[in-house]
Amino acid sequence: AQSVSQHNHHVILSEAASLELGCNYSYGGTVNLFWYVQYPGQHLQLLLKYFSGDPLVKGIKGFEAEFIKSKFSFNLRKPSVQWSDTAEYFCAVNAKGGSYIPTFGRGTSLIVHP
Amino acid sequence: GAGVSQSPSNKVTEKGKDVELRCDPISGHTALYWYRQSLGQGLEFLIYFQGNSAPDKSGLPSDRFSAERTGGSVSTLTIQRTQQEDSAVYLCASSLGGLGSYEQYFGPGTRLTVT
Repeated sequence: AQSVSQHNHHVILSEAASLELGCNYSYGGTVNLFWYVQYPGQHLQLLLKYFSGDPLVKGIKGFEAEFIKSKFSFNLRKPSVQWSDTAEYFCAVNAKGGSYIPTFGRGTSLIVHP
Repeated sequence: GAGVSQSPSNKVTEKGKDVELRCDPISGHTALYWYRQSLGQGLEFLIYFQGNSAPDKSGLPSDRFSAERTGGSVSTLTIQRTQQEDSAVYLCASSLGGLGSYEQYFGPGTRLTVT
């Protein structure tokens, strides 16, 4: 069965700092990868996704993520965070040809101080 | 267009009572998922509907939990004889298709509190 690990449960940064949130998964086959974000008081929404092709994907609001197959990782990055990036971030993995149900990590709470 | 809607937004119930949670997916979305989100935990998968296929119930934690989807649209999650450990936010999501190849659109959730 696939599983997803987000090692950073709580991250606190100042505005303009760089961000990298880790996401590792366990599954030996081909995967679809997602990052979702939940802003305070709002729904979960898609930040970016990777299905195939260029392993560096760009998402909304300046976020990007890089799929490194050899490391089973899909880390989320942003070069300069803003106060409005304060949110909960979830990594999700779906195994192609396996379970069609995305597996979510526990989430990372990001607080950005102005 | 309209997103995924869920009702009620909040539900407080006494231990032992039954509750029904409703989800209205985005029109035209064939796949519907129910998740449970507890404080500090990720999203725990409960049940998945895809078109007219039999639902995947592999995530339901006990036989007190059941769900149905009528006419391929609205879904109801029922929890019988609620327990305090059932307290959580119950999220519904829909997607254009199944097989995990489509992004999920989430509703606002129903916060269930069992006293």
